Amino acid sequence: AQKVTQAQTEISVVEKEDVTLDCVYETRDTTYYLFWYKQPPSGELVFLIRRNSFDEQNEISGRYSWNFQKSTSSFNFTITASQVVDSAVYFCVLPSDGGFKTIFGAGTRLFVKA
Amino acid sequence: DVKVTQSSRYLVKRTGEKVFLECVQDMDHENMFWYRQDPGLGLRLIYFSYDVKMKEKGDIPEGYSVSREKKERFSLILESASTNQTSMYLCASKREVSYEQYFGPGTRLTVT
Repeated sequence: AQKVTQAQTEISVVEKEDVTLDCVYETRDTTYYLFWYKQPPSGELVFLIRRNSFDEQNEISGRYSWNFQKSTSSFNFTITASQVVDSAVYFCVLPSDGGFKTIFGAGTRLFVKA
Repeated sequence: DVKVTQSSRYLVKRTGEKVFLECVQDMDHENMFWYRQDPGLGLRLIYFSYDVKMKEKGDIPEGYSVSREKKERFSLILESASTNQTSMYLCASKREVSYEQYFGPGTRLTVT
């Protein structure tokens, strides 16, 4: 089965706190990609990162970092020193069928309070 | 940068009206998609197009049709709008050989 589970529905933190968004996936494919998207209140889905199944190296981009672990089928996303502008819904995404079918997690709504 | 634009951010239509939602991308992407997003239901694929004049049904095509006459433009048509089509509509595009989709800003459609 192709499935993405984001167990955290909502997370609320205070500015400057670190926060980790969890993502667990299931796939029948031996090679695959995983993505994270951000959806701010304006509504546009913004692509954040792509990870392929061959590359388990963690990635850091500014205050964002991603931890991909094939052994636990997880692709977690950490925001360090969160800011109010990070408030958004974050989606973990598993594309399949050549990218024509896209399995979205339910999303985690992050509130960052000043 | 990939740019996907949608004709309207907000739209209010009456039941029974024919509604056109337009999407344009400027990156020469072969594939384009229409989704709707509803609270508690997430994003659901309505239709996609893998090339000009080619279209495929997604998970919820009923009540919708699409048109792709030019590579950069993908239109979603509600033949006779109904209140249960009130939703956020998101257009996306991607390259044929790629997996990541790039989304437009969305159109919040209200049918009264």
